[in-house]
Amino acid sequence: EIVLTQSPGTLSLSPGESATLSCRASQSVRSNYLAWYQQRPGQTPRLLLFSASTRATGIPDRFTGSGSGTDFTLIISSLEPEDFAVYYCQHYGSILLGTFGQGTKVEI
Amino acid sequence: EEQLVESGGGLVQPGGSLRLSCAASGFTLSNYEVNWVRQAPGKGLEWVSYISSSGSTKYYADSVKGRFSISRDNNNDSVFLHMDSLRAEDTATYYCAREGPYQVLFTLWGQGTQATVSS
Repeated sequence: EIVLTQSPGTLSLSPGESATLSCRASQSVRSNYLAWYQQRPGQTPRLLLFSASTRATGIPDRFTGSGSGTDFTLIISSLEPEDFAVYYCQHYGSILLGTFGQGTKVEI
Repeated sequence: EEQLVESGGGLVQPGGSLRLSCAASGFTLSNYEVNWVRQAPGKGLEWVSYISSSGSTKYYADSVKGRFSISRDNNNDSVFLHMDSLRAEDTATYYCAREGPYQVLFTLWGQGTQATVSS
């Protein structure tokens, strides 16, 4: 089982600043099958990126994903008020792998 | 607009049962693999169960294996999660999620239904 560890637990930032979120896997992530989801307060999760860096439909380009192997990063440039949320990384591609990280909260 | 809608949550005593339902609008659910993912209050996301588009393949998380059962009715375009022997730790919001194009990549989520297990 691959364990995903996200850091930091909480990021306190202001609108207009950039956020850098980290997701580290306990083993190498096959084929860069790493996704990021956003969950705004009181809302359902939504897919932001997959294959480490491919934006899902309708996701603005201020969201950028990168990384390979065991280390992955989500950068949110110029935070908008609606970006304050919890972000989860996930290793997908197999039922045995569909685990989520514990989440990073981006707060004002 | 494509949407998933869950229903069936509620308050149940430990050891009781609940049956959650997931329906789709704006697309044909029977064409997709579907998963259930849950989120305990103030906690993160936990994958619970998977069912293939035909219903022939099913998987469960170890935490629910033997107690939960996933099924689907493709004639009525619905997916179900039957939960037996419920425990306090099963208290969560349960989301159905459409999968694709990779296994357990969740491209569409429902709004969730709350299941509370308490005496």
